[in-house]
Amino acid sequence: DQQVKQNSPSLSVQEGRISILNCDYTNSMFDYFLWYKKYPAEGPTFLISISSIKDKNEDGRFTVFLNKSAKHLSLHIVPSQPGDSAVYFCAALYYSGGYQKVTFGTGTKLQVIP
Amino acid sequence: ETGVTQSPTHLIKTRGQQVTLRCSSQSGHNTVSWYQQALGQGPQFIFQYYREEENGRGNFPPRFSGLQFPNYSSELNVNALELDDSALYLCASSLKTSGAYEQYFGPGTRLTVT
Repeated sequence: DQQVKQNSPSLSVQEGRISILNCDYTNSMFDYFLWYKKYPAEGPTFLISISSIKDKNEDGRFTVFLNKSAKHLSLHIVPSQPGDSAVYFCAALYYSGGYQKVTFGTGTKLQVIP
Repeated sequence: ETGVTQSPTHLIKTRGQQVTLRCSSQSGHNTVSWYQQALGQGPQFIFQYYREEENGRGNFPPRFSGLQFPNYSSELNVNALELDDSALYLCASSLKTSGAYEQYFGPGTRLTVT
């Protein structure tokens, strides 16, 4: 049961342009949504999050948008830089019995072309 | 301040054997979660330990077990290894407070079961 889906396995974008990574979810009970970035041979690194009661959160070049009616979120990177090339995981979090459970999507590999 | 470390980096085991993977949490963190990441998939939650007790578990059989020690290092033990256990195993430490708490991932242990 894939509760968090990233339907695009890969994305290529020119340096300086906008990168848009998409994510869909099925469970309305999620409390937070998160984006992680992963370089080869490293663990995922937290990038940005959004509460389920918000529709936008911005941090520098990174903005996450949440559309609850469509159960969809997206990560915008503007402007894209070559160092942004990595695998991006969308994740959703809910609290269950006193702990937080995080469910990850399958990832989107972003390539920013210089 | 040291980050999250894991050992070993790579490991090859035979089906039916047992394996122990180790994680050293970031200083001051009281919570550790373990994830399994199969090839081409996102990390899947195995379980979480908080103050040396398991307080959450994903859809993994009992042959996956863990320990968290007073110094907040932890172990993941897998008994009766199966070929499908071949994956990258990630641990993530965090400081459990209210709200969504950020997880810091280690680089992972690559387990191959033959």
